[in-house]
Amino acid sequence: QQQVKQSPQSLIVQKGGISIINCAYENTAFDYFPWYQQFPGKGPALLIAIRPDVSEKKEGRFTISFNKSAKQFSLHIMDSQPGDSATYFCAASRQGAQKLVFGQGTRLTINP
Amino acid sequence: ETGVTQSPTHLIKTRGQQVTLRCSSQSGHNTVSWYQQALGQGPQFIFQYYREEENGRGNFPPRFSGLQFPNYSSELNVNALELDDSALYLCASSLASVTGTEAFFGQGTRLTVV
Repeated sequence: QQQVKQSPQSLIVQKGGISIINCAYENTAFDYFPWYQQFPGKGPALLIAIRPDVSEKKEGRFTISFNKSAKQFSLHIMDSQPGDSATYFCAASRQGAQKLVFGQGTRLTINP
Repeated sequence: ETGVTQSPTHLIKTRGQQVTLRCSSQSGHNTVSWYQQALGQGPQFIFQYYREEENGRGNFPPRFSGLQFPNYSSELNVNALELDDSALYLCASSLASVTGTEAFFGQGTRLTVV
């Protein structure tokens, strides 16, 4: 049973544009929603995370928007740069960082 | 860098063999989780260790087993390797608390079963 669905599978954005990746979850007990960035041959790196008591969290060019009633959350990358080209994973868990359930990933390409 | 180190980085094994992967957690972290990431997929939770005890397990058969040591480092053992076990194996460390905290991943061990 896939509990976190991520879209799109791949995304191409021009340099300076806004990249938007969406995730939907099923388990209402989830209370922690991180985004990870993964470069080829590397492990996932924590980018930004949100808990359901807030609707938005911003860190630099990265923003998470959270819609609890719709059970959806999204990552926005403002002023996208070629160095942002990577695979992005959303995830969800209960009780903080225990047992993360990951989405299938989005391969983001930023064209110069 | 996360401070989580895994060894070896790459490994080739023959079907039916056994393999041991190792992970050193980030300083101050007491919880280690293992994930399997098949090519083009998101990581799948294998199991978690907290204070040297298994603390949750995903949908993986018993031939996947683990250990956590007093210094919080960990091992993942896989017996009777199958071709489908070929994947990137990731270790993540975190500090267990009531509210939880971030999980930090190592660079992974790429296992190829031939």
